[in-house]
Amino acid sequence: DAMVIQNPRYQVTQFGKPVTLSCSQTLNHNVMYWYQQKSSQAPKLLFHYYDKDFNNEADTPDNFQSRRPNTSFCFLDIRSPGLGDAAMYLCATSSSLGLTNEQYFGPGTRLTVT
Amino acid sequence: AQTVTQSQPEMSVQEAETVTLSCTYDTSESDYYLFWYKQPPSRQMILVIRQEAYKQQNATENRFSVNFQKAAKSFSLKISDSQLGDAAMYFCAYAVGTYKYIFGTGTRLKVLA
Repeated sequence: DAMVIQNPRYQVTQFGKPVTLSCSQTLNHNVMYWYQQKSSQAPKLLFHYYDKDFNNEADTPDNFQSRRPNTSFCFLDIRSPGLGDAAMYLCATSSSLGLTNEQYFGPGTRLTVT
Repeated sequence: AQTVTQSQPEMSVQEAETVTLSCTYDTSESDYYLFWYKQPPSRQMILVIRQEAYKQQNATENRFSVNFQKAAKSFSLKISDSQLGDAAMYFCAYAVGTYKYIFGTGTRLKVLA
């Protein structure tokens, strides 16, 4: 089945140690999104790629970066994780921009910072 | 600012019964979309139902239907004939602009056998 895959599902990193989360998709969608979901909070959009164009949300900390080397893969890099960055990170895709284009979500990566 | 509020952190329903999950939102826009997403434990979020704000008719998908009250900015989800597989976290989301979803904090639904 076409889908959005996130690896790893669980990631433990140390305070200040860079970490990379991975997302891949077999849907051949143009848009890929990264959301942060802290415990008991709503998922919050960090940024998205429309093809190779990167779009950062205004309130996304500089500590968060992203790379999209090709259509299928997108990475979330946290340069110096703090305890407050512990969360579930969700990747999503859509065929294009526009509200009629449904977003398809991966299962998420739960990040623990020790 | 646009916000989405789900006031019920947790709900329970007996199998085969009907349950309604509440969602309210705040916006000054006239054209937008509203969604309900379901997130089963350790699984990805999947779209349950979608409502376009300019359509007055309430959306329906099999056992799932919405009660969309645009003036009241209310968008509740009704699940009929609840099944054990309906147990999940349910997120209400409001879509604005060309891509941005604003989510509520979710309602955890338990289905009792």
